[in-house]
This record gives sequence, structure tokens and C-alpha cells, in this order.
Amino acid sequence: GAGVSQTPSNKVTEKGKYVELRCDPISGHTALYWYRQSLGQGPEFLIYFQGTGAADDSGLPNDRFFAVRPEGSVSTLKIQRTERGDSAVYLCASSLAWGKYFGPGTRLTVT
Amino acid sequence: DAKTTQPTSMDCAEGRAANLPCNHSTISGNEYVYWYRQIHSQGPQYIIHGLKNNETNEMASLIITEDRKSSTLILPHATLRDTAVYYCIVRVANTGNQFYFGTGTSLTVIP
Repeated sequence: GAGVSQTPSNKVTEKGKYVELRCDPISGHTALYWYRQSLGQGPEFLIYFQGTGAADDSGLPNDRFFAVRPEGSVSTLKIQRTERGDSAVYLCASSLAWGKYFGPGTRLTVT
Repeated sequence: DAKTTQPTSMDCAEGRAANLPCNHSTISGNEYVYWYRQIHSQGPQYIIHGLKNNETNEMASLIITEDRKSSTLILPHATLRDTAVYYCIVRVANTGNQFYFGTGTSLTVIP
């Protein structure tokens, strides 16, 4: 079946701009996670949704980062006033039980 | 969360067994050992997990020491497609818990 999909696969934006990254989880998966991965590092947790609500947003680095999941399926990660340090691969994962299934990520480059 | 320690990199000859070690000396009784891998430019992929018994699936075997302070992931017949970064993660088995990936072991399978 279809896995986790993320769009766009690549995004280049200028410093100060606003960006939205989309995640389509596996159908029926109630849990959804966002991670960020910088070059040479492992993925770093950002936020976790159970259904529509953010159950844990302790990984969001600051208030420029926000994520929503209004209908308990698709999620959007929103970054305001982007900075060059936000450049990374943003990974989404979904889960029904113990296993987490990751998407291919969105590579964000802030110039 | 229990912290894990893995070698930064390893090489393995194609067709031979790849044995990837992980130390997790502060693991708690209810924490599982998970292994994920990340092939270049892809999202992390689940391999295997276990609590205290050794586990085997179609991808790999997981050997956990009796004191649970370390484990070894075994790829019985490594192929070039197994070249990836391998992450050892310890966490309670609950969808609400994010993973802390660390930097993993970069495995290179050599022809």
C-alpha cells in the first residue's frame, strides 16, 4: 500500500519567507510525527500528533515553527520568517502501534 | 531516555555478516531496543526491535545481552544495498513517544 508521502520533495526559499511543508500519512494511522535532520546528524524530534491534537510539541525550536493536523490525517508544518539555520531535511512519520513509518522528507534550503 | 552509543562507522565485505554493536547501559526495564536504518536521501526504515529475547525477521537478527546493557544487529549476508546509517534507539513501546536517534553507525558494504 501507499506509504507516507511528503510534498514538496525540495523547497528553496529566501531568508525571511514563509514556507509550508505537507505530510500525507499512511491511511488510518492515528499518530503523526515531524522530525528535522541536519547534514551528518540523526533525525531530531519536533512535534507529535495523536489524532488532531499536538500531544507533544517540545521539540519545536521556537515560535516560528508551527504544525497543524486539522482532520487527523494530513499535517502541515509551517515555518515563518525562515532563517538559513532552518535549512535541513524535514521528515514526517506516521504510526498506528509501535512501528513508525517515515516519508522521504522535504529538503528545505533557505538562501 | 536511555542513551545509546554506537561506533561512528564500519565496513563489511559483501556477502559476509555485518555485526553492528550498540551500548545502552542505562536502559530501563520497560524500554525496547529498536533498530532503524537510513539509506542515503531516504527516510529512516524500521528493521527490528526487541525487549530482552533475541529476535529475527527477514531483514536481520537482534541479539540482546542478558543484562540488556548492549545489543548487536546482525545482517547475515550483507549486500551493497545495505550500505546505510544504522540507528539504535531505546524507548518504551508507546506510539506517544518520540525517538532520539543519535548519529548512528555508517555501514559501508564493500564489493
